[in-house]
Amino acid sequence: DAMVIQNPRYQVTQFGKPVTLSCSQTLNHNVMYWYQQKSSQAPKLLFHYYDKDFNNEADTPDNFQSRRPNTSFCFLDIRSPGLGDAAMYLCATSRGGQGPNQPQHFGDGTRLSIL
Amino acid sequence: QKEVEQNSGPLSVPEGAIASLNCTYSDRGSQSFFWYRQYSGKSPELIMFIYSNGDKEDGRFTAQLNKASQYVSLLIRDSQPSDSATYLCAVNARGSNYKLTFGKGTLLTVNP
Repeated sequence: DAMVIQNPRYQVTQFGKPVTLSCSQTLNHNVMYWYQQKSSQAPKLLFHYYDKDFNNEADTPDNFQSRRPNTSFCFLDIRSPGLGDAAMYLCATSRGGQGPNQPQHFGDGTRLSIL
Repeated sequence: QKEVEQNSGPLSVPEGAIASLNCTYSDRGSQSFFWYRQYSGKSPELIMFIYSNGDKEDGRFTAQLNKASQYVSLLIRDSQPSDSATYLCAVNARGSNYKLTFGKGTLLTVNP
């Protein structure tokens, strides 16, 4: 089955220690997104890649970076995690192009804890 | 005014009843509307999407869109305890045909 896969499912890191979350997809979608979701809140878009073009949301902290080495893979790097960065991180993909929005498909998420 | 608004709930219905979940949006130019289901601790799962005014049915689920009133709803017929989850409404972000803006979600509880 075509899908979006995130690794790891759970990540524990220390305050200030860099961490990388990964996402891969077999849907061949050209748009990949990273969201942060905290308890009882809406998913908050951090950034997205439209093909190879990186698009940062205006309020995404500089502490968050992303890489997309090829169509299938995308990484979220948190350079110096703070306690406030503990959250569920969601990767999603969609087909971008002409016409109305196509649905976004989510991976299972990575639950990040900060010690 | 928030771009996408949902009643946070909880909305509690008995098993077998119809659950009605509502969502309003602020951008009159919005074209694409999505409903996602999210179980506690899990990621959002697409339930339905709708682009045109009126109703769209898929099994026990019906999405209803009224662009004049800037209102989209999700009806769940014959509600089951397994339907207990948070339902997220999402609308295409202003000026974009691929980014979405999500509401905070409505928590639905179906009581056996």
